[in-house]
Amino acid sequence: RKEVEQDPGPFNVPEGATVAFNCTYSNSASQSFFWYRQDCRKEPKLLMSVYSSGNEDGRFTAQLNRASQYISLLIRDSKLSDSATYLCVAYGGATNKLIFGTGTLLAVQP
Amino acid sequence: EAGVTQFPSHSVIEKGQTVTLRCDPISGHDNLYWYRRVMGKEIKFLLHFVKESKQDESGMPNNRFLAERTGGTYSTLKVQPAELEDSGVYFCASSAQGALGYEQYFGPGTRLTVT
Repeated sequence: RKEVEQDPGPFNVPEGATVAFNCTYSNSASQSFFWYRQDCRKEPKLLMSVYSSGNEDGRFTAQLNRASQYISLLIRDSKLSDSATYLCVAYGGATNKLIFGTGTLLAVQP
Repeated sequence: EAGVTQFPSHSVIEKGQTVTLRCDPISGHDNLYWYRRVMGKEIKFLLHFVKESKQDESGMPNNRFLAERTGGTYSTLKVQPAELEDSGVYFCASSAQGALGYEQYFGPGTRLTVT
Protein backbone atom coordinates (compact mmCIF):
# COMPACT_ATOMS: atom_id res chain seq x y z
CA ARG A 1 0.00 0.00 0.00
CA LYS A 2 1.29 3.45 -0.89
CA GLU A 3 2.03 5.75 2.02
CA VAL A 4 0.15 8.61 0.35
CA GLU A 5 -2.78 7.84 -1.94
CA GLN A 6 -4.51 10.16 -4.37
CA ASP A 7 -7.08 9.84 -7.13
CA PRO A 8 -5.00 10.36 -10.29
CA GLY A 9 -7.88 11.98 -12.17
CA PRO A 10 -7.97 13.65 -14.59
CA PHE A 11 -10.41 16.18 -13.26
CA ASN A 12 -11.80 18.15 -16.20
CA VAL A 13 -13.64 21.24 -14.99
CA PRO A 14 -14.87 24.45 -16.63
CA GLU A 15 -13.41 27.80 -15.73
CA GLY A 16 -15.00 29.21 -12.61
CA ALA A 17 -15.83 25.81 -11.14
CA THR A 18 -14.95 24.67 -7.65
CA VAL A 19 -12.96 21.44 -7.48
CA ALA A 20 -11.81 19.36 -4.53
CA PHE A 21 -9.00 16.86 -4.30
CA ASN A 22 -8.58 14.29 -1.56
CA CYS A 23 -5.65 12.35 -0.27
CA THR A 24 -5.13 9.73 2.43
CA TYR A 25 -1.94 8.77 4.22
CA SER A 26 -1.09 5.55 6.03
CA ASN A 27 1.72 6.58 8.39
CA SER A 28 0.14 8.08 11.47
CA ALA A 29 3.59 9.29 12.54
CA SER A 30 3.78 11.72 9.62
CA GLN A 31 4.22 15.17 11.05
CA SER A 32 3.43 17.65 8.33
CA PHE A 33 1.51 17.70 5.09
CA PHE A 34 1.64 19.81 1.97
CA TRP A 35 0.21 20.31 -1.45
CA TYR A 36 2.70 20.76 -4.25
CA ARG A 37 1.90 21.81 -7.77
CA GLN A 38 3.71 20.36 -10.76
CA ASP A 39 3.31 21.72 -14.27
CA CYS A 40 3.97 19.45 -17.22
CA ARG A 41 7.67 18.56 -17.42
CA LYS A 42 8.53 20.98 -14.62
CA GLU A 43 9.67 20.57 -11.05
CA PRO A 44 7.28 20.33 -8.09
CA LYS A 45 6.66 23.62 -6.33
CA LEU A 46 5.22 24.07 -2.86
CA LEU A 47 1.65 25.33 -3.10
CA MET A 48 0.66 25.37 0.54
CA SER A 49 0.97 23.68 3.88
CA VAL A 50 -1.93 21.80 5.43
CA TYR A 51 -3.02 22.28 9.02
CA SER A 52 -5.73 20.69 11.15
CA SER A 53 -7.26 24.11 11.60
CA GLY A 54 -7.40 24.60 7.86
CA ASN A 55 -5.28 26.84 5.71
CA GLU A 56 -6.63 29.30 3.16
CA ASP A 57 -4.63 31.15 0.54
CA GLY A 58 -6.79 33.12 -1.84
CA ARG A 59 -8.83 30.65 -3.87
CA PHE A 60 -7.12 27.65 -2.28
CA THR A 61 -8.14 25.96 0.96
CA ALA A 62 -6.36 22.96 2.47
CA GLN A 63 -7.55 20.84 5.35
CA LEU A 64 -6.11 18.02 7.44
CA ASN A 65 -8.08 15.44 9.40
CA ARG A 66 -5.61 13.49 11.52
CA ALA A 67 -8.23 11.14 12.95
CA SER A 68 -9.18 9.98 9.46
CA GLN A 69 -5.66 10.46 8.03
CA TYR A 70 -7.20 12.51 5.26
CA ILE A 71 -6.09 15.67 3.48
CA SER A 72 -8.03 17.86 1.10
CA LEU A 73 -7.48 20.74 -1.28
CA LEU A 74 -10.30 22.96 -2.50
CA ILE A 75 -9.86 25.30 -5.44
CA ARG A 76 -12.57 27.90 -5.97
CA ASP A 77 -13.21 29.86 -9.15
CA SER A 78 -10.85 27.72 -11.21
CA LYS A 79 -8.62 29.47 -13.74
CA LEU A 80 -7.05 28.06 -16.87
CA SER A 81 -3.69 28.61 -15.19
CA ASP A 82 -4.66 26.19 -12.41
CA SER A 83 -4.25 23.30 -14.85
CA ALA A 84 -1.46 21.16 -13.42
CA THR A 85 -0.81 18.05 -11.35
CA TYR A 86 -1.42 18.50 -7.64
CA LEU A 87 0.78 16.40 -5.40
CA CYS A 88 -0.18 15.47 -1.87
CA VAL A 89 2.96 15.24 0.25
CA ALA A 90 3.73 14.02 3.77
CA TYR A 91 6.85 14.90 5.69
CA GLY A 92 8.43 11.82 7.19
CA GLY A 93 9.46 13.29 10.51
CA ALA A 94 12.29 10.99 11.56
CA THR A 95 14.16 11.84 8.39
CA ASN A 96 13.91 14.91 6.20
CA LYS A 97 12.29 13.15 3.31
CA LEU A 98 9.11 14.06 1.56
CA ILE A 99 6.65 11.27 0.76
CA PHE A 100 4.72 12.03 -2.42
CA GLY A 101 1.41 10.81 -3.71
CA THR A 102 1.16 10.05 -7.43
CA GLY A 103 -0.63 13.33 -8.04
CA THR A 104 -4.03 14.41 -9.31
CA LEU A 105 -4.24 15.93 -12.77
CA LEU A 106 -6.47 18.98 -13.12
CA ALA A 107 -7.47 20.32 -16.51
CA VAL A 108 -9.47 23.55 -16.46
CA GLN A 109 -11.39 24.03 -19.69
CA PRO A 110 -12.33 27.40 -21.23
CA GLU B 1 19.08 34.22 -6.29
CA ALA B 2 19.75 31.27 -8.60
CA GLY B 3 17.65 28.20 -7.99
CA VAL B 4 18.62 24.56 -8.01
CA THR B 5 20.14 23.60 -11.33
CA GLN B 6 20.56 20.17 -12.84
CA PHE B 7 22.58 18.90 -15.77
CA PRO B 8 21.85 17.47 -18.23
CA SER B 9 18.18 18.18 -18.75
CA HIS B 10 17.84 15.03 -20.85
CA SER B 11 19.99 11.95 -21.30
CA VAL B 12 19.41 8.97 -23.56
CA ILE B 13 21.76 6.04 -23.06
CA GLU B 14 21.86 2.36 -23.87
CA LYS B 15 21.46 -0.36 -21.32
CA GLY B 16 24.80 -1.13 -19.74
CA GLN B 17 26.22 2.35 -20.20
CA THR B 18 27.11 4.79 -17.46
CA VAL B 19 25.47 8.14 -16.83
CA THR B 20 26.34 10.85 -14.35
CA LEU B 21 23.78 13.43 -13.30
CA ARG B 22 24.78 16.67 -11.66
CA CYS B 23 22.96 18.93 -9.22
CA ASP B 24 23.96 22.38 -8.07
CA PRO B 25 21.94 23.38 -5.01
CA ILE B 26 21.00 26.89 -4.03
CA SER B 27 24.14 28.59 -2.77
CA GLY B 28 24.59 28.09 0.95
CA HIS B 29 22.12 25.21 1.26
CA ASP B 30 23.65 22.45 3.34
CA ASN B 31 20.89 19.93 2.66
CA LEU B 32 20.73 18.26 -0.73
CA TYR B 33 18.25 15.57 -1.74
CA TRP B 34 17.83 13.29 -4.73
CA TYR B 35 14.40 12.03 -5.76
CA ARG B 36 13.24 10.00 -8.75
CA ARG B 37 9.99 9.61 -10.60
CA VAL B 38 9.54 6.62 -12.87
CA MET B 39 6.65 6.67 -15.32
CA GLY B 40 3.28 6.18 -13.73
CA LYS B 41 4.67 6.18 -10.21
CA GLU B 42 5.06 8.73 -7.47
CA ILE B 43 8.18 10.79 -6.83
CA LYS B 44 10.37 8.77 -4.48
CA PHE B 45 13.18 9.79 -2.17
CA LEU B 46 16.63 8.43 -2.98
CA LEU B 47 19.00 10.07 -0.53
CA HIS B 48 19.85 13.10 1.58
CA PHE B 49 23.19 14.85 2.06
CA VAL B 50 24.04 17.24 4.83
CA LYS B 51 27.05 19.05 3.47
CA GLU B 52 29.28 16.24 2.18
CA SER B 53 27.87 13.52 4.45
CA LYS B 54 25.14 11.07 3.51
CA GLN B 55 22.44 11.53 6.12
CA ASP B 56 19.98 9.04 4.71
CA GLU B 57 20.43 6.81 1.68
CA SER B 58 17.56 4.46 2.41
CA GLY B 59 15.91 5.16 -0.93
CA MET B 60 18.81 4.18 -3.17
CA PRO B 61 17.54 1.27 -5.27
CA ASN B 62 20.73 -0.77 -5.47
CA ASN B 63 24.50 -0.56 -5.67
CA ARG B 64 24.43 0.53 -9.30
CA PHE B 65 23.66 3.99 -7.98
CA LEU B 66 26.43 6.09 -6.45
CA ALA B 67 25.91 9.59 -5.11
CA GLU B 68 28.66 11.95 -4.09
CA ARG B 69 28.90 15.47 -2.79
CA THR B 70 32.58 16.26 -2.49
CA GLY B 71 33.22 19.55 -0.74
CA GLY B 72 29.60 19.88 0.22
CA THR B 73 28.65 21.90 -2.84
CA TYR B 74 27.35 20.23 -5.99
CA SER B 75 26.37 16.58 -6.08
CA THR B 76 26.60 13.87 -8.68
CA LEU B 77 24.52 10.75 -9.08
CA LYS B 78 26.10 8.03 -11.18
CA VAL B 79 24.26 5.04 -12.54
CA GLN B 80 26.55 2.21 -13.62
CA PRO B 81 25.57 0.09 -15.47
CA ALA B 82 22.22 1.55 -16.40
CA GLU B 83 19.20 -0.75 -16.73
CA LEU B 84 15.89 -0.15 -18.51
CA GLU B 85 14.05 0.32 -15.21
CA ASP B 86 16.30 3.26 -14.32
CA SER B 87 14.45 5.43 -16.84
CA GLY B 88 12.63 8.32 -15.24
CA VAL B 89 13.02 11.88 -14.06
CA TYR B 90 15.66 12.51 -11.42
CA PHE B 91 15.01 15.56 -9.27
CA CYS B 92 17.40 17.27 -6.94
CA ALA B 93 16.26 19.51 -4.12
CA SER B 94 18.01 21.61 -1.52
CA SER B 95 17.18 23.31 1.73
CA ALA B 96 19.02 25.59 4.12
CA GLN B 97 20.63 24.40 7.34
CA GLY B 98 18.05 24.17 10.07
CA ALA B 99 15.21 24.68 7.63
CA LEU B 100 12.11 22.66 8.23
CA GLY B 101 12.42 19.47 6.22
CA TYR B 102 9.69 20.38 3.82
CA GLU B 103 11.23 23.68 2.71
CA GLN B 104 12.92 21.94 -0.13
CA TYR B 105 13.43 23.71 -3.43
CA PHE B 106 13.44 21.46 -6.46
CA GLY B 107 15.51 21.63 -9.59
CA PRO B 108 13.98 21.11 -13.05
CA GLY B 109 15.02 17.47 -13.15
CA THR B 110 17.03 15.28 -15.50
CA ARG B 111 14.96 13.06 -17.77
CA LEU B 112 16.86 9.79 -18.20
CA THR B 113 15.91 7.31 -20.88
CA VAL B 114 17.65 3.95 -20.97
CA THR B 115 17.10 2.05 -24.23
